[in-house]
Amino acid sequence: QKEVEQNSGPLSVPEGAIASLNCTYSDRGSQSFFWYRQYSGKSPELIMSIYSNGDKEDGRFTAQLNKASQYVSLLIRDSQPSDSATYLCAALPISGGYNKLIFGAGTRLAVHP
Amino acid sequence: DADVTQTPRNRITKTGKRIMLECSQTKGHDRMYWYRQDPGLGLRLIYYSFDVKDINKGEISDGYSVSRQAQAKFSLSLESAIPNQTALYFCATSDGDRLDNQPQHFGDGTRLSIL
Repeated sequence: QKEVEQNSGPLSVPEGAIASLNCTYSDRGSQSFFWYRQYSGKSPELIMSIYSNGDKEDGRFTAQLNKASQYVSLLIRDSQPSDSATYLCAALPISGGYNKLIFGAGTRLAVHP
Repeated sequence: DADVTQTPRNRITKTGKRIMLECSQTKGHDRMYWYRQDPGLGLRLIYYSFDVKDINKGEISDGYSVSRQAQAKFSLSLESAIPNQTALYFCATSDGDRLDNQPQHFGDGTRLSIL
């Protein structure tokens, strides 16, 4: 079992819709969670971080964390074609002494006009 | 100027050659990391360093070595390159003072092709 799992996609949504990206993690002791956006051939860019159960909103983005279910999600409201990218979920597990981020393989999002 | 700078941006070389990828940062972060990214596999940690005297292996360190020349510089070497080391390589930094809150900041990457 991979430590951080994501559906590879592509997830295709129409412009203006809500895109929902999901991530599960195996280390129950994981503390911090991050969502990165990566355009093709470019470097990952941090868009959200979340540390406690519940929702965290920043503009059109909402991160959701459920530690009991070991589940993290990212919602993108009013999706735009410019949101088309690969989204990487990352966790900071206790197995690495909270020193190493573990990344999922990413979910490719395609927003079509 | 970029906060995390990687050189070169692209490199094509032959099997058996020694290659060095360099990373420098102006963020003042103590922690630096090297990752490789392959299609479908995500980012995998090669080495990481928490200060100049602290170097640690990641999950895929075989065939690689690193040097932390200064707080701001962290280089990755492939001693004898092989084709399956063809990948996109990223350097990243994070703030070592915040143990449970470590967003990492990435350089623009080095695309390495080994023929």
